[in-house]
Amino acid sequence: EVQLVESGGGLVQPGRSLRLSCAASGFTFDDYAMHWVRQAPGKGLEWVSGISWNSGGIVYADSVKGRFTISRDNAKNSLYLQMNSLRPEDTALYYCAKTDQVVAATPGAFEIWGQGTLVTVSS
Amino acid sequence: SYELTQPPSVSVSPGQTASITCSGDKLGNKDVCWYQQKPGQSPVLVIYQDMKRPSGIPERFSGSNSGNTATLTISGTQAMDEADYYCQAWDSSTVVFGGGTKLTVL
Repeated sequence: EVQLVESGGGLVQPGRSLRLSCAASGFTFDDYAMHWVRQAPGKGLEWVSGISWNSGGIVYADSVKGRFTISRDNAKNSLYLQMNSLRPEDTALYYCAKTDQVVAATPGAFEIWGQGTLVTVSS
Repeated sequence: SYELTQPPSVSVSPGQTASITCSGDKLGNKDVCWYQQKPGQSPVLVIYQDMKRPSGIPERFSGSNSGNTATLTISGTQAMDEADYYCQAWDSSTVVFGGGTKLTVL
């Protein structure tokens, strides 16, 4: 069964850092680009970042550029999101998603989603 | 930045056809995907490349895309189709989602 399991969320103060993880199983992880998408409470979906199969291509939304860093470890079938300088507006459920593409910046569909991990930024 | 516009809500009677639109500049030149999200659940891909259905998605879900508007059509809408629906496209190597449409089946 194809599965994505996020972890690492929690309550953090503004300006602090947090690292999210996503464990993949049931498919050949290093064959696909992976992405992070977030959803603020009661709001819509917002794309955050994507990374190519070999980490050679990385893209970010303007809202997180310079603060967030996406990475992956294909040996561990894992995706990560390092979030620095967190702001209250970063409060959201963070999903990792598998695309049907190899390269992060190639248009494709998010065909598999995890269950999400909640990040709350508040003092 | 590129924007996708969806109606906030659409209502449909059971068994009827629901149409949810997604508008954007020259959207017909881009591939559009649609996601269904039920309360407390993760999004599910229901349409990709404008009109293709992933395995396991019922045939009543269909899509089209032309000009500035993409449309998700649900034929013979069932109560289980009540959910939020999001369109998605790519622009300049970034992903854009529409604001979402709440489909009510009543």
